Amino acid sequence: GNSVTQMEGPVTLSEEAFLTINCTYTATGYPSLFWYVQYPGEGLQLLLKATKADDKGSNKGFEATYRKETTSFHLEKGSVQVSDSAVYFCALSDRGNDYKLSFGAGTTVTVRA
Amino acid sequence: NAGVTQTPKFQVLKTGQSMTLQCAQDMNHEYMSWYRQDPGMGLRLIHYSVGAGITDQGEVPNGYNVSRSTTEDFPLRLLSAAPSQTSVYFCASSYGRSNQPQHFGDGTRLSIL
Repeated sequence: GNSVTQMEGPVTLSEEAFLTINCTYTATGYPSLFWYVQYPGEGLQLLLKATKADDKGSNKGFEATYRKETTSFHLEKGSVQVSDSAVYFCALSDRGNDYKLSFGAGTTVTVRA
Repeated sequence: NAGVTQTPKFQVLKTGQSMTLQCAQDMNHEYMSWYRQDPGMGLRLIHYSVGAGITDQGEVPNGYNVSRSTTEDFPLRLLSAAPSQTSVYFCASSYGRSNQPQHFGDGTRLSIL
């Protein structure tokens, strides 16, 4: 079956630091890959996605590249802000079944001013 | 635009009590899903629906029932609550077309004593 493994947190950074959150996956076929973000007290929001190998998803300064050879989808941001403090979830779905997501455990990121 | 609305936001139950968590969306989305979020485990799919009158089981369906009589509503029922069902529950919806993002509600925090 499908599974997602992401780096454990919590992660604490200073403003303007570089952020990387590692994510690897196991899936049959060619899954679609997602990063969702959850701000305190809110539901999840889609941050970015990639649907095929070598695709790069990007949004709000965050980027992630779909690497089929290493089954990875690492999230990066070059300069974080306090407002980026949140829980980040890596997720995948079988192609065409985006309503059935398999999530990683989530990584809590705290950015200090 | 309300999006996905979940009620209640918080609930405390005693073991053996029954409860219905409500979920409504006003975006005319075909697909709706229920997830539970537990520490260190990310979100896990409980049940999902691809349209009115159609439901199916997800990864952790035991102890939960669902129905989808209208496009807008997708209630989740706990027939006899157990402490293991203490969790945060999220409802999500999306269009049926591929690569459409899921929209999440703000969650229901449920405690079973």
